[in-house]
Amino acid sequence: NAGVTQTPKFQVLKTGQSMTLQCAQDMNHEYMSWYRQDPGMGLRLIHYSVGAGITDQGEVPNGYNVSRSTTEDFPLRLLSAAPSQTSVYFCASSYRGSGRGIKETQYFGPGTRLLVL
Amino acid sequence: GQQVMQIPQYQHVQEGEDFTTYCNSSTTLSNIQWYKQRPGGHPVFLIQLVKSGEVKKQKRLTFQFGEAKKNSSLHITATQTTDVGTYFCAGPVSLLYGGSQGNLIFGKGTKLSVKP
Repeated sequence: NAGVTQTPKFQVLKTGQSMTLQCAQDMNHEYMSWYRQDPGMGLRLIHYSVGAGITDQGEVPNGYNVSRSTTEDFPLRLLSAAPSQTSVYFCASSYRGSGRGIKETQYFGPGTRLLVL
Repeated sequence: GQQVMQIPQYQHVQEGEDFTTYCNSSTTLSNIQWYKQRPGGHPVFLIQLVKSGEVKKQKRLTFQFGEAKKNSSLHITATQTTDVGTYFCAGPVSLLYGGSQGNLIFGKGTKLSVKP
C-alpha cells in the first residue's frame, strides 16, 4: 500500500493563479481531510469528506474548494491564490473504525509546500 | 469554541534529560491521540488513549489520559536525538461544535530539540 500520496511536493504560484493539489489514498478510507500548517498555528482543518460525494467545510475553508467523486481521491483547489495561502498542506485519511480498531486515527500524506508570491 | 491547548510550545533539552508535554482540552474527549512530526516531515500517529486514567508505554515514551478525560501528557525518559520533532495531541471534534465523526482538533504542538 502506498498509503496517502500528494502531488506536487513543492509549488510556487503567483498571486491570482489557480491550481489543484492532488491527494489519493489506497486504504479504502471513508474519511479524508485537508489541513494547512503554519508556524505556531498547528494543523488547521480546511475541508473534509465523510465519503464519496459528501464534503463539508472545516475551520479555514475560504479560498479553497474540494470535491470527492471517488473514495480514493480528494483534490483541493485554490481558486485565486493569495500570499496568505503560503503554507504546507497535508491531506489525511481515516476509517470509520467501528469494530475495526482505533477510531479517527489520521494517516497523513507527505505534504505539499506552497509559496504564493 | 472547542479548544485543545498544549504546553510548552518549545522545549530544548540536553540528550539524556527527560521531557514532558501537556495537553488540555476545553471539552471531555472520547479519546486522545498523539502524533509526532519530524522536521520536514508529516505527522505520524503514535498512540490513542481511550479510558479514563489510562497509561500506555512505548519504550521510553509514557502517555497518560486524565481521569476527567480532558487532559493528557506525553513523557519521554532519557531523550535521544531521534526524539527531535514536534509532538501533537488531538481529540475528536465535538458534535456540539459542529464536528463530524472522523474530524480531529489538534493542539498547536510542542517542538522538542535535543542537544547532543
